[in-house]
Amino acid sequence: DTEVTQTPKHLVMGMTNKKSLKCEQHMGHRAMYWYKQKAKKPPELMFVYSYEKLSINESVPSRFSPECPNSSLLNLHLHALQPEDSALYLCASSQLPGALNEQFFGPGTRLTVL
Amino acid sequence: RKEVEQDPGPFNVPEGATVAFNCTYSNSASQSFFWYRQDCRKEPKLLMSVYSSGNEDGRFTAQLNRASQYISLLIRDSKLSDSATYLCVVNRDSGAGSYQLTFGKGTKLSVIP
Repeated sequence: DTEVTQTPKHLVMGMTNKKSLKCEQHMGHRAMYWYKQKAKKPPELMFVYSYEKLSINESVPSRFSPECPNSSLLNLHLHALQPEDSALYLCASSQLPGALNEQFFGPGTRLTVL
Repeated sequence: RKEVEQDPGPFNVPEGATVAFNCTYSNSASQSFFWYRQDCRKEPKLLMSVYSSGNEDGRFTAQLNRASQYISLLIRDSKLSDSATYLCVVNRDSGAGSYQLTFGKGTKLSVIP
């Protein structure tokens, strides 16, 4: 199994809603990542979890709250988002943390904030 | 100077052509290099890592020139299915357990019948 899965595939939410994005991998990878990608732009790193601990937070607003319940799962909790947060949210994993490791991406959740 | 720069294209090439993409990076401390491809409205997929000695995978050849700080990708015998955006990715450890993964903006390739 060399797959990273993400749910839901699409999400529409209002600015007052609370929702969560989920990511799962069963490759035994010990680093997991959240990225945000706007149309016609490259992915931008948001968070990195290394061995289930948050190791990098790229100055992301607190309305995005990551969680890593175990080594296979990564969540992104959303609350009071703004329309400009509409984007493709990508999860990725790598075997180990660190610059030398290849990252594998999930299919993403396409988020629309109304 | 942007940290990772690519020609955005588009590159429109006929089937069977050979096409080359270049990418330059500004930080000489960069440690690892990758090419990803991304189809429209899909996730990036790892195409290949780029090693100092150069590496080949079928029709794809990647080269790294550390002295000049550029990376290249050569695609031979282009197929229609090669049409995608190709992202150059550079990674480096930035200390204290942190690291900096930087994507180029991508080069769009369209292979025409």
